[in-house]
Amino acid sequence: DIVMTQSPDSLAVSLGERATINCKSSQSVLYSSNNLNYLAWYQQKPGQPPRLLISWASTRVSGVPDRFSGSGSGTDFTLTISSLQAEDVSVYYCQQYYAIPYTFGQGTKLEIK
Amino acid sequence: EVQLLESGGGLVQPGGSLRLSCAASVFTFSTFAMTWVRQAPGKGLEWVSTITGSGGTIFYADSVKGRFSISRDNSKNTLYLQMNNLRVEDTAVYFCAKDWSTDGGSQGYFDYWGQGTLVTVSS
Repeated sequence: DIVMTQSPDSLAVSLGERATINCKSSQSVLYSSNNLNYLAWYQQKPGQPPRLLISWASTRVSGVPDRFSGSGSGTDFTLTISSLQAEDVSVYYCQQYYAIPYTFGQGTKLEIK
Repeated sequence: EVQLLESGGGLVQPGGSLRLSCAASVFTFSTFAMTWVRQAPGKGLEWVSTITGSGGTIFYADSVKGRFSISRDNSKNTLYLQMNNLRVEDTAVYFCAKDWSTDGGSQGYFDYWGQGTLVTVSS
């Protein structure tokens, strides 16, 4: 199984500042035949289901604010929130869909400093 | 807007059974693979099982293989999860989720999720 490890486990950032969450996979999720990274990011607020933010490591889903961006390739990925807003307080998960079983990171809890 | 509504959760004793349902609306259900993902209280997300749009291909996590069975009725736009021989560690909120892919196969990431149904396994 591909193990997804996020860092940090929790993060406190001031409003308007940049937040960065890292995700590392135990093996590459880059598919060489199409040069795509099979990596998604989700946001989950308390009592709600996850919300898809980014697919293919860097493609923002329609309706997601452009302060959210994804980057990385192979085994190392980053979710960046360029200017933290109060409504961004959530737990964020990365997920690989390169291979079954699909696996998620343990989550990163983002709070306001 | 796509809607997914889970039901069937509840309290069950270890070794018992439950069947979860997920009613889908506002999209062509048979075109999309569907997935169950669970979340133990205060914990992260765990993929459980996926079924392709036709129902012809099914995948399970090792933790539920042989105990859980996923199925779908495309005429009723409904996804199911039959859970047998339940264990305490199966306690979780179970979400159904729609796969992004439009060809009926499983791409493996999920663009719409239901609100979830809580399954509690306890004596």
